[in-house]
Amino acid sequence: GAVVSQHPSWVICKSGTSVKIECRSLDFQATTMFWYRQFPKQSLMLMATSNEGSKATYEQGVEKDKFLINHASLTLSTLTVTSAHPEDSSFYICSARDLASGGRELFFGEGSRLTVL
Amino acid sequence: KQEVTQIPAALSVPEGENLVLNCSFTDSAIYNLQWFRQDPGKGLTSLLLIQSSQREQTSGRLNASLDKSSGRSTLYIAASQPGDSATYLCAVKADTGTASKLTFGTGTRLQVTL
Repeated sequence: GAVVSQHPSWVICKSGTSVKIECRSLDFQATTMFWYRQFPKQSLMLMATSNEGSKATYEQGVEKDKFLINHASLTLSTLTVTSAHPEDSSFYICSARDLASGGRELFFGEGSRLTVL
Repeated sequence: KQEVTQIPAALSVPEGENLVLNCSFTDSAIYNLQWFRQDPGKGLTSLLLIQSSQREQTSGRLNASLDKSSGRSTLYIAASQPGDSATYLCAVKADTGTASKLTFGTGTRLQVTL
């Protein structure tokens, strides 16, 4: 199947700093990518839909100024957690559809674990 | 609003047993349903995808069924192995749009013991 790569896989930062997480589709182009957040032992919660060349669509309750999403190319979307605080500590996962193969199946990255001290 | 529930939340079985994981969804107007596996601290691996027009899909020891009208899907794992230990998530897609989001279930944590 298609490969989605996330970087970094884990990051520890001080409260108040900003952290950028990258999501890349390695062998396909993705006009749409999705960012999820997962708390321990819980399911995935969709944060936003990242659209190449346009603004991201945020889910209700997700602060767009807190979680900045940029989808500058067909293979890269970035999530920046601005002025991070301990409550932002979580596992962040991105996903994308391979439109060339019909786009029915969603492929996920390995996730990025953020710990804010 | 679509809600997806998985039962049981956790399951422990001895190696070699066949087992069934359940997934139910409240809105039967779905486009497809996908089963995923998640290992601790890792992302999701797609296992099986069932289109709304299909009844089941098979891959190796895995078989997933879909009863759209009753809002249910099952994942059958034959001859379980310790390597099958993971969290299994089902997710439904609402419509055909590529931007259409998935709604995830709560997951079933499976442990296969020696």
